[in-house]
Amino acid sequence: QKEVEQNSGPLSVPEGAIASLNCTYSDRGSQSFFWYRQYSGKSPELIMSIYSNGDKEDGRFTAQLNKASQYVSLLIRDSQPSDSATYLCAFFSNTGNQFYFGTGTSLTVIP
Amino acid sequence: GAVVSQHPSRVICKSGTSVKIECRSLDFQATTMFWYRQFPKQSLMLMATSNEGSKATYEQGVEKDKFLINHASLTLSTLTVTSAHPEDSSFYICSVKTGDSPLHFGNGTRLTVT
Repeated sequence: QKEVEQNSGPLSVPEGAIASLNCTYSDRGSQSFFWYRQYSGKSPELIMSIYSNGDKEDGRFTAQLNKASQYVSLLIRDSQPSDSATYLCAFFSNTGNQFYFGTGTSLTVIP
Repeated sequence: GAVVSQHPSRVICKSGTSVKIECRSLDFQATTMFWYRQFPKQSLMLMATSNEGSKATYEQGVEKDKFLINHASLTLSTLTVTSAHPEDSSFYICSVKTGDSPLHFGNGTRLTVT
């Protein structure tokens, strides 16, 4: 079982729609979860971090965490073509003292 | 502003030569830096964890004698790809974590071995 599971996509949404990205993880003890965006040929950049159950909103982005289900998601409202990228889900394992990344979901926002 | 500075951003070298990549933590002292490699259309793969003042911890399958890591100060870690071969061509990315912070990535180094 992989530590982090993501649907690789590709996911396509029309401009202005809501994009929903999902992720499950294996480490029940993990307390820190992150979403990174990676444009083609670039390194990942942090867009959201979430540490407690529930929703966390930042502009057009909302991260949702459900530790009981070991599930974290990212919603992008009013999707823009500039949101087209690969989105990486990650968590930090205290036991392993390292980050685990999913394989990423490719998102395309169609103008 | 940038938290992590990585140089060079792009390098082309001949097979058999060595290449050094530098990773600097700009805003804080980093006792731990992580080195990742990413092949086209694949996920990030952790190569090694660089610890200041001690030997790096390498992931399974990563040759420590080929990928030399030096973390001599709290703000600088270097990765040297020795005797590079075309199959080493990849995108190498360093990252820094301090305390409970998320992982901050450098801009990456695109290595092409001809």
